[in-house]
Amino acid sequence: TQLLEQSPQFLSIQEGENLTVYCNSSSVFSSLQWYRQEPGEGPVLLVTVVTGGEVKKLKRLTFQFGDARKDSSLHITAAQPGDTGLYLCAGARGTGNQFYFGTGTSLTVIP
Amino acid sequence: DAGITQSPRHKVTETGTPVTLRCHQTENHRYMYWYRQDPGHGLRLIHYSYGVKDTDKGEVSDGYSVSRSKTEDFLLTLESATSSQTSVYFCAISHADSGANVLTFGAGSRLTVL
Repeated sequence: TQLLEQSPQFLSIQEGENLTVYCNSSSVFSSLQWYRQEPGEGPVLLVTVVTGGEVKKLKRLTFQFGDARKDSSLHITAAQPGDTGLYLCAGARGTGNQFYFGTGTSLTVIP
Repeated sequence: DAGITQSPRHKVTETGTPVTLRCHQTENHRYMYWYRQDPGHGLRLIHYSYGVKDTDKGEVSDGYSVSRSKTEDFLLTLESATSSQTSVYFCAISHADSGANVLTFGAGSRLTVL
């Protein structure tokens, strides 16, 4: 059983469209991170959120941590082909060094 | 840059043979992890280490063992490889970032067990 559920699993959109990826759990996390992975490479950290209700922006990407620290969302505005990749959420629990990953969202942005 | 090196990057082996994957870091981080990545499962933790000779199991540890005799090296061993262990293996280290601990990953080791 996956501790973190991500949706959708696959997403194919046209360049310029907006999208939202969700990461949900019934468990509370001390922090939550979003990673992006390209084929043949390891995941790379995009952002970490720590406080319930926190919103962080990274250019066209907006990340939100749920008030209860159980869920998070990633919103991309005006998607570009360079946004194509696998997006993974991960929650930290315990001492903050135990990480649990979602199943990932594979995003394809068509030019 | 956490300076994480995984070796080998690619390996093809036969069922029943032993395999060891190596993870090397250059920045003295305490926590190191081995994950496997398979389609539809995301990243699943195999084992992790919180110091020299201090290791613990993750959610998919059966068939795997680890060792950490030096801070910089974390080895993952498959004593007798099976086809179900065909996967991409990632090593990671934990470090502080923006008020939390986050992971930095190596480039991965692709293992095929025939």
